[in-house]
Amino acid sequence: GQNIDQPTEMTATEGAIVQINCTYQTSGFNGLFWYQQHAGEAPTFLSYNVLDGLEEKGRFSSFLSRSKGYSYLLLKELQMKDSASYLCASYNQAGTALIFGKGATLSVSS
Amino acid sequence: DTGVSQNPRHKITKRGQNVTFRCDPISEHNRLYWYRQTLGQGPEFLTYFQNEAQLEKSRLLSDRFSAERPKGSFSTLEIQRTEQGDSAMYLCASSLETTVTEAFFGQGTRLTVV
Repeated sequence: GQNIDQPTEMTATEGAIVQINCTYQTSGFNGLFWYQQHAGEAPTFLSYNVLDGLEEKGRFSSFLSRSKGYSYLLLKELQMKDSASYLCASYNQAGTALIFGKGATLSVSS
Repeated sequence: DTGVSQNPRHKITKRGQNVTFRCDPISEHNRLYWYRQTLGQGPEFLTYFQNEAQLEKSRLLSDRFSAERPKGSFSTLEIQRTEQGDSAMYLCASSLETTVTEAFFGQGTRLTVV
C-alpha cells in the first residue's frame, strides 16, 4: 500500500522561510515529487528527489531521507505569489500511478 | 506543443445525464493519467494508459466511469448517470515513457452536477 501525509494548512509572512513536510510509506520507492497548485489551476512540477539529501533550485529546495520516509520542501524569501497548495507525491510500486498527498495549503501574508 | 489540453473547462449537468471529457496530451508522451480532485484534497488517481492500453484502474473508477484512448493519442473520460457526488475537477496528465518521470497536468474540467 501507499500512504502520504502532509500538514493541511500553513501560514507565513513575506520574506520568511517556510518548511513543508511530507512523510510517506510505500511498497516500492521510486522517488518523491513536489508539485505546486494555485487555486483553480493545474498542479505544476517543482522537484523530484530519488537520492537522500538536499536539491536546491532557486528559492525552492527539496530534501529526502529514504530511511525515515521523510521529505520537505523549503521555500525561501517568500512572496505573495507563493500562496498555493504544495503537493507531495510518489509513484506506486508498479510505476503506473503517481499518488498524491492531500496537499499543504500555504498562505503568505504581507 | 503548448502542453496538456482538456475540454471543456467547465461542465454543468443535471443528475442522471451522461458527460464526456476530452484530454489531448503532450504529443510525444506515451503515458496518460486521469485524476479527480475535490476541494481541499490532492488529486486522486483514476486510471492510467500506456499508449492505447489501459493498464491501471483505481477502485474509485466505478462502472459508471469509462475511459478510452483509442489511437494512443487523445483520451476521453465518460461518466454515465451522473450523481451529485461526481462533482469535482477532473485532471488529465501525461508523461514520457521512462521509468520514473514527472507528469504534466492539463487545466482540468470542472464538473458540477445539479
